[in-house]
Amino acid sequence: GQQVQQSPASLVLQEGENAELQCNFSTSLNSMQWFYQRPGGSLVSLFYNPSGTKHSGRLTSTTVIKERRSSLHISSSQTTDSGTYLCALDMDSNYQLIWGSGTKLIIKP
Amino acid sequence: NAGVIQTPRHKVTGKGQEATLWCEPISGHSAVFWYRQTIVQGLEFLTYFRNQAPIDDSGMPKERFSAQMPNQSHSTLKIQSTQPQDSAVYLCASSVSQNTLYFGAGTRLSVL
Repeated sequence: GQQVQQSPASLVLQEGENAELQCNFSTSLNSMQWFYQRPGGSLVSLFYNPSGTKHSGRLTSTTVIKERRSSLHISSSQTTDSGTYLCALDMDSNYQLIWGSGTKLIIKP
Repeated sequence: NAGVIQTPRHKVTGKGQEATLWCEPISGHSAVFWYRQTIVQGLEFLTYFRNQAPIDDSGMPKERFSAQMPNQSHSTLKIQSTQPQDSAVYLCASSVSQNTLYFGAGTRLSVL
């Protein structure tokens, strides 16, 4: 089965609402990375998070290794947050990233 | 710091033609990765260089794809005899270590 499962596949919210994106993994983890991609745009790294909680503005990433999950929380969403969010698992001693299938986030005004 | 630079941004080739894609990694980054992104397959790993040496090309279609890194300032991905199924966005990324990857804007390849 898939080593990284990302959910939901798509999410539509009203501006101002909070978004919660999840990645569950079934293999060993060195770190989880979160990326953002605007339609037609390049991938932008949001977080490199091996464990615990990290904050960046309205974004929060939490990785809980024992529960084999990592989440990305967006508070007070804005229309400019719309795009695709991807998680990528960085395995121990492995340079290859195992990618989630992505969450397409649409924030309506 | 201009980030990872990929050229061209868009390339259109006829079936059977050759396509060469260029990547200039961030100065000082020792690792360079090539990925391919399609709606159907998502992100697929193609190949990886560290300190210019090819480390793993397990993701590369063997017969028509090749990648090189002749110096630390650029890498190329060459696709011979392009086929319609090669149409995708090809992404180059660089990193200092196993930590954060920095991606270029990608090259959109369209094979007619």
